[in-house]
Amino acid sequence: DTAVSQTPKYLVTQMGNDKSIKCEQNLGHDTMYWYKQDSKKFLKIMFSYNNKELIINETVPNRFSPKSPDKAHLNLHINSLELGDSAVYFCASKPGAGQETQYFGPGTRLLVL
Amino acid sequence: SQQGEEDPQALSIQEGENATMNCSYKTSINNLQWYRQNSGRGLVHLILIRSNEREKHSGRLRVTLDTSKKSSSLLITASRAADTASYFCATDDGAGSYQLTFGKGTKLSVIP
Repeated sequence: DTAVSQTPKYLVTQMGNDKSIKCEQNLGHDTMYWYKQDSKKFLKIMFSYNNKELIINETVPNRFSPKSPDKAHLNLHINSLELGDSAVYFCASKPGAGQETQYFGPGTRLLVL
Repeated sequence: SQQGEEDPQALSIQEGENATMNCSYKTSINNLQWYRQNSGRGLVHLILIRSNEREKHSGRLRVTLDTSKKSSSLLITASRAADTASYFCATDDGAGSYQLTFGKGTKLSVIP
């Protein structure tokens, strides 16, 4: 009955590979996010989708492409992985406009070798 | 760009003591939130304070907001070992962007 779930939990891969991280929320929320947390614990927003539409796209390399097949899912595909992509990636969701609290997934720990 | 800056970066206290963490931010806000992150886990929302509020309580948590100084504090009273975690403030500028901007966090260690 996990509210916001991510798969996989851990991802170890070689430089240059392409990988995807999946996120699903069963809360019925309208808005979903991807965040990147670096080794110093700094949490930075990458993307935000509202009702399957992209509303925030921060300065992120275009190797990162989010995809929202439906309101409950927001997946993150990363092409040509680089060493600097190693981080923890968090998915989050919130109900919608006027509802400010965000609900976070457990994170995906990506290590690029 | 980073909005919030927590202070101190790390805090170590004995169980039963109070813990105070501070957050400063740069631009005007609609609300400020505090989140907790246990080691290896996602963030969990603790409390939200709106820009027209000065103080808010939730259980052992007390949050203050001073918009003139662009700062907030989180007080955890009678701390427990289970409070050991990183604490982040996050600001919402209310511009309709649905975006929260997080600080770097304070790592709190409560020693039993």
